[in-house]
Amino acid sequence: GQQLNQSPQSMFIQEGEDVSMNCTSSSIFNTWLWYKQEPGEGPVLLIALYKAGELTSNGRLTAQFGITRKDSFLNISASIPSDVGIYFCAGLDGILTGGGNKLTFGTGTQLKVEL
Amino acid sequence: GAVVSQHPSWVICKSGTSVKIECRSLDFQATTMFWYRQFPKQSLMLMATSNEGSKATYEQGVEKDKFLINHASLTLSTLTVTSAHPEDSSFYICSARDDRSSYNSPLHFGNGTRLTVT
Repeated sequence: GQQLNQSPQSMFIQEGEDVSMNCTSSSIFNTWLWYKQEPGEGPVLLIALYKAGELTSNGRLTAQFGITRKDSFLNISASIPSDVGIYFCAGLDGILTGGGNKLTFGTGTQLKVEL
Repeated sequence: GAVVSQHPSWVICKSGTSVKIECRSLDFQATTMFWYRQFPKQSLMLMATSNEGSKATYEQGVEKDKFLINHASLTLSTLTVTSAHPEDSSFYICSARDDRSSYNSPLHFGNGTRLTVT
């Protein structure tokens, strides 16, 4: 099946630093999404990317949809303590099976911010 | 915004019993809902796609007779873990697609249900 590999697996950074994480796939996705998950909660959507090459920002977050449609990155600028959590990339494959195309999640990047 | 509610948020049950988890879309209709399972320190893995009025589509390796899915209305899907065992202990998360949105719109996620089987 499809796999999305994220790197790094975890990051421990100082408050105020910029953060970069990426996601690569063995196959093409038509839509890339970035979610954040905090302990004991469901994932919350941060950014959605719909076109290859698209660069989208949401506050301090910036994400890009790779030209090959097999990768994406997420940048967080000037990190703050509340950025702590697990960040997941996810891809929608655009194949309408069983009533809706499926969302495949990446392996996750755990972010820890030191004051 | 679109809200997906899961109930219960956590449950502890004895081995061999069955547990039902509900997933409701509160302010939109969802013909399609998805059930995920997440083990500690791991990613979310899709278990099945739930479709209102038809049978669920299960991912490879997920036992359909053990994880019963019923999508009885456009706002409710249920997942029943039958004859639960300790290895079924996990975080179960549902998501739903708003029927008004396009096929590639992001899914709305519930807050998950922590199942512990003793």
